Amino acid sequence: DQQVKQNSPSLSVQEGRISILNCDYTNSMFDYFLWYKKYPAEGPTFLISISSIKDKNEDGRFTVFLNKSAKHLSLHIVPSQPGDSAVYFCAARFHAGKSTFGDGTTLTVKP
Amino acid sequence: NAGVTQTPKFQVLKTGQSMTLQCAQDMNHNSMYWYRQDPGMGLRLIYYSASEGTTDKGEVPNGYNVSRLNKREFSLRLESAAPSQTSVYFCASSGRGQGYEQYFGPGTRLTVT
Repeated sequence: DQQVKQNSPSLSVQEGRISILNCDYTNSMFDYFLWYKKYPAEGPTFLISISSIKDKNEDGRFTVFLNKSAKHLSLHIVPSQPGDSAVYFCAARFHAGKSTFGDGTTLTVKP
Repeated sequence: NAGVTQTPKFQVLKTGQSMTLQCAQDMNHNSMYWYRQDPGMGLRLIYYSASEGTTDKGEVPNGYNVSRLNKREFSLRLESAAPSQTSVYFCASSGRGQGYEQYFGPGTRLTVT
């Protein structure tokens, strides 16, 4: 049973607009949530994280929101740029650094 | 500072052959991981090592073995390759960053025919 789900396989937005990527989880014991970005033929790279005791974390154009009651988190990218086009993975950490990953959302930012 | 390196980048094996994927990190991280990624799916943990000298199974360990040779190196061995092991393999490491974020290598694309 998948504990982290990204229900939208793809998202397309116009350059300069907001991109919102969503993630749902089932396990209340997760203590950190992380977003990774992946370009083709490269390994994922860490983007931003949020502790389970917070509800928002911001880093430049990237903001992650956590709604614990709904077991839902989202990544907002504002403004979106063509270079943001990539696959975004949501991950949840539950033990000694181990994380479980969603299946990813492919973001396309159109110029 | 190379980060996480993996060799080889590409490999083609015949069913039943064996091989070892190599991984090394130069960030002095305690924890290291092996994942596989199949098309349209996320990363699934094969094995991880919380510290030098320790290893533990992840979600999909069957058909694989690992060795944490020292703090820097963590290898993944396929003893008898099967077509179901065709995948892209990623090695990662993590330290005691805020969220124990992981740093990934570039991946090894393995095809088993």
